[in-house]
Amino acid sequence: QSVLTQPPSASGTPGQRVTVSCSGSSSDIGSNTVNWYQQLPGTAPKLVIYLNTQRPSGVPDRFSGSKSGTSASLAISGLHPDDEADYYCAAWDDGLKSVIFGGGTKLTVL
Amino acid sequence: QVQLVESGGGVVQPGRSLRLSCATSGFTFSTFAMHWVRQTPGKGLEWVAFIWSDGSNKHYANSVKGRFTISRDNSKNALYLQMNSLRVEDTAMYFCAGDPPRSGFAFDIWGQGTMVTVSS
Repeated sequence: QSVLTQPPSASGTPGQRVTVSCSGSSSDIGSNTVNWYQQLPGTAPKLVIYLNTQRPSGVPDRFSGSKSGTSASLAISGLHPDDEADYYCAAWDDGLKSVIFGGGTKLTVL
Repeated sequence: QVQLVESGGGVVQPGRSLRLSCATSGFTFSTFAMHWVRQTPGKGLEWVAFIWSDGSNKHYANSVKGRFTISRDNSKNALYLQMNSLRVEDTAMYFCAGDPPRSGFAFDIWGQGTMVTVSS
């Protein structure tokens, strides 16, 4: 059972901007930073945003992250066909003493 | 280049044990916290366990607490997961992942995974 809530799906056309939301609570997102992962079919996840807003080297600046209170968002602008993937948010939970993931959002590029 | 290579997966009966290994290279292993994350085929990611860079602190998901043990050998740049009393619901792809200092539990590097199937 995922403690962080994400929409199961999202979609957009090439060039559009899409956002993926991630909702948590005071013990996870409200108290800790959020990270985002992209997972292409049959591959290991890849970190795309860390510490709420930071992009690892090599991740295009089309990817951005934000956080407010107990919610966070991943935005992808100038959508490309190869952005089609599953996206997961994650954060440390102070109560569970665990890293928790969202259930994942399947992004479709139409 | 940075590499994490998991091994040790396979098919095992419920109640039996399995030990996973993660061989690493290309980065300063002793400075990274390390994690195990699993994924049931077609489903989402589930964090399993983590160990501090010096091995002094460990945390586990409630679903594996008391059955799984995470360990590391910094002299061999290796991470391990001892899995005892395996259950059908432990069936998943198991990934090892590295968490650099001051990254806020960001899994910056991942292995390709090793599949564990628990079935009678």
